[in-house]
Amino acid sequence: EIVMTQSPATLSVSPGERATLSCRASQSVSSNLAWYQQKPGQAPRLLIYGASTRATGIPARFSGSGSGTEFTLTISSLQSEDFAVYYCQQYNNWPRHSFGQGTKLEIK
Amino acid sequence: EVQLVESGGGLVQPGGSLRLSCAASGFTFSSYWMSWVRQAPGKGLEWVANIKQDGSEKYYVDSVKGRFTISRDNAKNSLYLQMNSLRAEDTAVYYCARDAEDRRTRSYYFDYWGQGTLVTVSS
Repeated sequence: EIVMTQSPATLSVSPGERATLSCRASQSVSSNLAWYQQKPGQAPRLLIYGASTRATGIPARFSGSGSGTEFTLTISSLQSEDFAVYYCQQYNNWPRHSFGQGTKLEIK
Repeated sequence: EVQLVESGGGLVQPGGSLRLSCAASGFTFSSYWMSWVRQAPGKGLEWVANIKQDGSEKYYVDSVKGRFTISRDNAKNSLYLQMNSLRAEDTAVYYCARDAEDRRTRSYYFDYWGQGTLVTVSS
């Protein structure tokens, strides 16, 4: 089983600033890594797949990087609507998937 | 517009059964792998099961093997999850999700999600 670990658990950032979220895999997942955003009471929303490709309609302020075991989601200038929980997910082991435990991005 | 609408959740006693449904629209349902993903209250996401386009392949997380069965009816554009021998730890919001192919690697992530249906297992 591939274990995904996200850090930090909670990140406090002011609007307009940059946020950097990390995700580590227990073994290489190549670039088979996706990021999702989830707001309270809502379903997750795909942001990034292939470690760095933005999904349709996702603003350019969201960017992903990394490969192998270390990945980063960067939000360049935080907007009020970006405060949410973010999950990474590996699909290298497809058809079995695993998610990180999430990072809560909160307003500082 | 892609839409996934789950139904069938509710309160059930430990050891009981429940059948979830997911109605799909806005895309060619029979062309996609489909999955169920769950989220316990206040917790993270957990993939539960997925099924190939024609239903010939099915995969499950270890914790539900032998208790849950995923199925689909392509004529009705519907996905199902039959849940038997339910336990308190199965309490969660259950999401239906569409598997999208990453064409570079031939692996699949989730590009669309339903709004979820809550399953509560309690006496």
